[in-house]
Amino acid sequence: GAVVSQHPSRVICKSGTSVKIECRSLDFQATTMFWYRQFPKKSLMLMATSNEGSKATYEQGVEKDKFLINHASLTLSTLTVTSAHPEDSSFYICSARDRNGRAGSNEQFFGPGTRLTVL
Amino acid sequence: AQSVTQLGSHVSVSEGALVLLRCNYSSSVPPYLFWYVQYPNQGLQLLLKYTSAATLVKGINGFEAEFKKSETSFHLTKPSAHMSDAAEYFCAVRAAEKLVFGKGTKLTVNP
Repeated sequence: GAVVSQHPSRVICKSGTSVKIECRSLDFQATTMFWYRQFPKKSLMLMATSNEGSKATYEQGVEKDKFLINHASLTLSTLTVTSAHPEDSSFYICSARDRNGRAGSNEQFFGPGTRLTVL
Repeated sequence: AQSVTQLGSHVSVSEGALVLLRCNYSSSVPPYLFWYVQYPNQGLQLLLKYTSAATLVKGINGFEAEFKKSETSFHLTKPSAHMSDAAEYFCAVRAAEKLVFGKGTKLTVNP
């Protein structure tokens, strides 16, 4: 149980295009999902917190117009990188918190990540 | 504000040797602490978590960690390293509804 999937796992795009990454909780409902960015050999940096049915809360320094987050249902959140540039190339990881708290302590379950390469 | 510091960005051990990965925390409230493992090009997998119950926490794959309030530490250990333990390990503390991660420690296991 508590599986989170991401799609696609890897994407290569041209500079200036937009890319959408999906994050799904497969066997539980997630009122809250989190989006992280991980640079090579670096830690995870929280980009934003996504709550179902409301606007995402972005961390300081993250451009909300560039990284559009939509959390339209209890099992799906999407991150759209708009007008992507090479500096947006990174590993993007989402996590989801079980609404019913089956795991206790508001544990976050992580997706497998999406490798974005912008040429 | 809650934070964690992982001492040592890279730890190398021999197969069968003790694994010790260090994590110190800073928190103004009783912390919830976590250890995650990340294999290359994959997401994070929870190894174990401390939630103010027992101070010695046992996790998956033979790992355990001990919460020491006096030392503000939550070090991760495993008695005998296996080749499959080679990965990146992250310590994290819960801050409100968020997780704050350390910079990670890359564990290398030599045959």
